[in-house]
Amino acid sequence: GIQVEQSPPDLILQEGANSTLRCNFSDSVNNLQWFHQNPWGQLINLFYIPSGTKQNGRLSATTVATERYSLLYISSSQTTDSGVYFCAVDRYSGGGADGLTFGKGTHLIIQP
Amino acid sequence: SQTIHQWPATLVQPVGSPLSLECTVEGTSNPNLYWYRQAAGRGLQLLFYSIGIDQISSEVPQNLSASRPQDRQFILSSKKLLLSDSGFYLCAWTQGKGTTEKLFFGSGTQLSVL
Repeated sequence: GIQVEQSPPDLILQEGANSTLRCNFSDSVNNLQWFHQNPWGQLINLFYIPSGTKQNGRLSATTVATERYSLLYISSSQTTDSGVYFCAVDRYSGGGADGLTFGKGTHLIIQP
Repeated sequence: SQTIHQWPATLVQPVGSPLSLECTVEGTSNPNLYWYRQAAGRGLQLLFYSIGIDQISSEVPQNLSASRPQDRQFILSSKKLLLSDSGFYLCAWTQGKGTTEKLFFGSGTQLSVL
């Protein structure tokens, strides 16, 4: 199956810093999503971004499908950004597929 | 708006006991439904997915089963729990083919098998 690698596995930053999280995948994809899991376990969908660039407040994401990677940017980090960030991909689009394959995540800690 | 409900939030069960976790989605129809398991706080493994009532596909052979008796209800079950079934179980949904494909998760169930 498709392989998803995320880097770095762990990241500790001071409040106000910027960060870039990377997701590499081993095959062509038509579905790529970024999630944030907060310390209480809740997974929040950040972006659906199989290609191109999107921005939502302090977060933005870029996927270069031809080169099989995606980047998640977090600017002016806040302590509430702490948690685990997951990248997930699927070869197929249009729902009804066999589900997303998740990377192992990047554990981000923002210190005050 | 659409919401997903999953319960219970935590569960402690003895080895060999049965399991039933329930998930319901509101505010949509014909969703695709999924059960994921997360072990050791990292990495999500897809267990089951369903594109319709009584249509269940299993990704990993295991001690668990899933059922979808109604359009917006997805149930994860086991007849006899094993120690290795411990983990964080997450129900999720997407709208389905031809529509937005964003995956949304329930709040999860922390299962401890002792």
